[in-house]
Amino acid sequence: SAVISQKPSRDICQRGTSLTIQCQVDSQVTMMFWYRQQPGQSLTLIATANQGSEATYESGFVIDKFPISRPNLTFSTLTVSNMSPEDSSIYLCSVEVTGSNEKLFFGSGTQLSVL
Amino acid sequence: QKEVEQNSGPLSVPEGAIASLNCTYSDRGSQSFFWYRQYSGKSPELIMSIYSNGDKEDGRFTAQLNKASQYVSLLIRDSQPSDSATYLCAVNDRGSTLGRLYFGRGTQLTVWP
Repeated sequence: SAVISQKPSRDICQRGTSLTIQCQVDSQVTMMFWYRQQPGQSLTLIATANQGSEATYESGFVIDKFPISRPNLTFSTLTVSNMSPEDSSIYLCSVEVTGSNEKLFFGSGTQLSVL
Repeated sequence: QKEVEQNSGPLSVPEGAIASLNCTYSDRGSQSFFWYRQYSGKSPELIMSIYSNGDKEDGRFTAQLNKASQYVSLLIRDSQPSDSATYLCAVNDRGSTLGRLYFGRGTQLTVWP
């Protein structure tokens, strides 16, 4: 299993500002993933973050809006830039644990409200 | 665009009953299928995975997969009030890393005593 610490757990931000969300894992993992869960919507993958390379973004998400860092095998950050009310959502970090029983574990999430 | 559809619910069942949750997916290339449980205000938690046609049982949970019909379901036997949560169906592409999942919007289940 994996223990994932994510912070902040929630924040209220002003339009036009940026917020950086941190994700710390208790073990080394190759891949980390950032998801968004908007109210009433499904979880949507934003990007995949590998250590030592640029993040891979899904359709509809761009690096300028959601820059990601992955400085080592246990840590990643997601920044939500130039925020608007449409960015109000839960942001979730997740990691893949491989082996005989592969699983995707989620962090506790960051509840973001943009005024 | 890969789509994963779930019956919208909410679904309400009495304690001890069988809860049936359904999910269809649009991409025939999907290879791996998952059910997550999400309590209000909490992060999703994996409860079942299934990769081949047929049934897979784990305790009170049974996942059923029919790739020809592009359909996956979750049965919860002897439902308990603690099962009250939103259940998310997720699918994964062939050859894609496990972390790249496509989720449905979820079905809210309430089990009343």
